[in-house]
Amino acid sequence: AQSVTQLGSHVSVSEGALVLLRCNYSSSVPPYLFWYVQYPNQGLQLLLKYTTGATLVKGINGFEAEFKKSETSFHLTKPSAHMSDAAEYFCAVSSMPGGGSEKLVFGKGTKLTVNP
Amino acid sequence: DADVTQTPRNRITKTGKRIMLECSQTKGHDRMYWYRQDPGLGLRLIYYSFDVKDINKGEISDGYSVSRQAQAKFSLSLESAIPNQTALYFCATSDRRGGSDTQYFGPGTRLTVL
Repeated sequence: AQSVTQLGSHVSVSEGALVLLRCNYSSSVPPYLFWYVQYPNQGLQLLLKYTTGATLVKGINGFEAEFKKSETSFHLTKPSAHMSDAAEYFCAVSSMPGGGSEKLVFGKGTKLTVNP
Repeated sequence: DADVTQTPRNRITKTGKRIMLECSQTKGHDRMYWYRQDPGLGLRLIYYSFDVKDINKGEISDGYSVSRQAQAKFSLSLESAIPNQTALYFCATSDRRGGSDTQYFGPGTRLTVL
């Protein structure tokens, strides 16, 4: 069965600093990997996804993530944090054989705080 | 206008009551999902439906039932609500036919069971 581990339930950075949110996954088949963001009192919004091809994936709002198969990781980064990035971030892996997002397994989330 | 809507947005009910949460989508997607979110636990899948006649249990279906009334509507019912069903509930949709594998989420329903 697939699983996702997000290291750090809370991360705090200063405005302008690097954002690094860690995600490790477990999957017996090639995974599809996703990062979603949840702003306060809102639903989840897709930031970026990896399916196949290029392992460095660029998403919205300046975020990117790199799929590293050898490390079973899909860490999310942004070079310079902005106050508007404060939100909760969820990493997810697909659990259907062969990939696809029909059944997503989510990590427990990382709440990002950006300090002025 | 929102593509995925959920009603109600907030609901307070009492233990033992039957309650229904509704989800509608205008995206034309064939697949719909119900999740619950609890602090520190992330999102967990309750039920999912690949089309009107295909409904499947998810990770935590006990105490819940669903109905797919039409392609655009997917309802979640709690037959006899209990306090540990207090949570934030999300509906999501996806469309496999176009090759997309992204799920789109509604704004959520905050349910409190007293």
